[in-house]
This record gives sequence, C-alpha cells and structure tokens, in this order.
Amino acid sequence: NAGVTQTPKFRILKIGQSMTLQCTQDMNHNYMYWYRQDPGMGLKLIYYSVGAGITDKGEVPNGYNVSRSTTEDFPLRLELAAPSQTSVYFCASNRRDTEAFFGQGTRLTVV
Amino acid sequence: TQLLEQSPQFLSIQEGENLTVYCNSSSVFSSLQWYRQEPGEGPVLLVTVVTGGEVKKLKRLTFQFGDARKDSSLHITAAQPGDTGLYLCAGDSGTYKYIFGTGTRLKVLA
Repeated sequence: NAGVTQTPKFRILKIGQSMTLQCTQDMNHNYMYWYRQDPGMGLKLIYYSVGAGITDKGEVPNGYNVSRSTTEDFPLRLELAAPSQTSVYFCASNRRDTEAFFGQGTRLTVV
Repeated sequence: TQLLEQSPQFLSIQEGENLTVYCNSSSVFSSLQWYRQEPGEGPVLLVTVVTGGEVKKLKRLTFQFGDARKDSSLHITAAQPGDTGLYLCAGDSGTYKYIFGTGTRLKVLA
C-alpha cells in the first residue's frame, strides 16, 4: 500500500521557470491538500480539494494552481517560479475528520 | 483568517522532565489534531480530539481539547530523547480544510 506518493523529491528551478509537483494517493480519499513548509515553521495550506473536479484556495494560493481530474491525483502547478516559493511542499489526503496521510515532501529551491 | 498559535515555539529540556505545549485560536474548530514531524518526513498523526473538554491519553502523552473548542494542549510526562521533533496542531473549522499551527520544536537531551 503506497499511501501518498509525491514526485519529484528534490528540484532546483530558475526564476521564471514552471513546474508541476505530482501527488497521487491509492486510499480512495476524497480530500486532498497541498501545504508548504518553510524552515522551522508549521504548514501553510496552499490549495485543497474535497473531490474530483472540486478545488478551493487555502491560506497562500498566489503563484500556484491545482487541478483534480481524478480521485487519485492532485498536481500542483507553479508558474513563473520566484525565490519566495523555495520551500518543502507536502501533499496530504484523508477522509473527513480522519487522519491525514502525508507524502514524503518535495524540496524545491528557486534560484 | 484563522490562526493557530502554538507556544512555546522552541523547547529544550532534560530527559525525565515534564512539558506542556499549547495551541490557541480565536476560532472554533469542529476537530483538532496533533501531529509529530521528524526531519525529512511528513507529519504523522498522534491524536484527534472532537468534543469540547475531551482528554485523550497516548502512553506518556495527554491531549486536551478546550471546552469552547478553541484551544488544545499536549502534555508529555517524563520526556525521552525519542520525543524530540516538531509538534503541530491542526484544526478543522468544518470547511474541510485543516489549518496548521505555527509548530513547537522540542528537543529532549539525554
């Protein structure tokens, strides 16, 4: 049982480049989330989804986009990367009011 | 904007000491979770509290949800080096999105 899988694990981007962070879960969870975590800090919610075809903004959505075409996948798109987007990105999924399972994270550096 | 403030932000204690971490908000949450995160890993759930005033125990860890469901505490008895990590609270306001607290970084010295 893979749980939540994120790819890539590490990435270095140049300012202005774009990329997609992939997230897939095999637990048939309706709810999926993208968070970013800056060094030594808590997690900030970027976007979340309550089911296929439904997405909504979290606390810090600017500079990001998401889509949820299937229950399993919830990719996060960065357009025009900026140094402020250097962070560790976590994808998570759950059923409502139950444990959220997190991926291993993607460490992104924008230079 | 909902905000979950944790205190203290950092805590360094000797093995065997007790400690309490607080998670406070001005918002009401339908449920609140506590997670522990180790370096290079994602957070792992410790407990979920749902009812105001609820107390849950997990071995040496005691979790309490405030009566008004706006705050929570985590108490560790006789801390051990294996308790070292980043402790995060996360609240669900009923809109399906979990907002995380600012985090408490605990270091337990042998």
